[in-house]
Amino acid sequence: GENVEQHPSTLSVQEGDSAVIKCTYSDSASNYFPWYKQELGKRPQLIIDIRSNVGEKKDQRIAVTLNKTAKHFSLHITETQPEDSAVYFCAASRYNFNKFYFGSGTKLNVKP
Amino acid sequence: SQTIHQWPATLVQPVGSPLSLECTVEGTSNPNLYWYRQAAGRGLQLLFYSVGIGQISSEVPQNLSASRPQDRQFILSSKKLLLSDSGFYLCAWSVGSGLTNTEAFFGQGTRLTVV
Repeated sequence: GENVEQHPSTLSVQEGDSAVIKCTYSDSASNYFPWYKQELGKRPQLIIDIRSNVGEKKDQRIAVTLNKTAKHFSLHITETQPEDSAVYFCAASRYNFNKFYFGSGTKLNVKP
Repeated sequence: SQTIHQWPATLVQPVGSPLSLECTVEGTSNPNLYWYRQAAGRGLQLLFYSVGIGQISSEVPQNLSASRPQDRQFILSSKKLLLSDSGFYLCAWSVGSGLTNTEAFFGQGTRLTVV
């Protein structure tokens, strides 16, 4: 099956700085890449996603980039705020199978 | 609108006891259904995946099983729990396939502690 690797495992930034989380995937047939935010003790919730026919997508302070050739995608959060502190997961979904394989997660700490 | 219900929220079970976690989805038909496990401080591991009634795909060999007796009902079971089965169990659903697949929507999770 698909193998998704995510780095870093923890990330600490000062409020207002940018944060970048990177993921790689192994299956070239994967075509959908969602990002989830999980607050402590709660369910993961989608924050942004990107499909393989797009190279970049932006939603306010959050953006995602995809490099299909290199099989990696990244989450960018600008002007970080304390409420951005959470665990972030990347995922990859394979064409025609619709299984979601998740990275190991990044714990983001935004210091006020 | 679509909703997903998962229960119980927390569960403490002795080693060797059986397990049954239930998940139901409302507001959609023929969803893809998933069971994930999240160990403390770890990522989300896909356990089971189902595209329809009675169709279950197991991702990893383990002490657990899954069943889908109805279109929008997904059950995670074990005959005898192990200490290593402790974790946060999440049910999820999505619709579509290939280029039209949606994201996965998660239930609130069940925190299982095996003692």
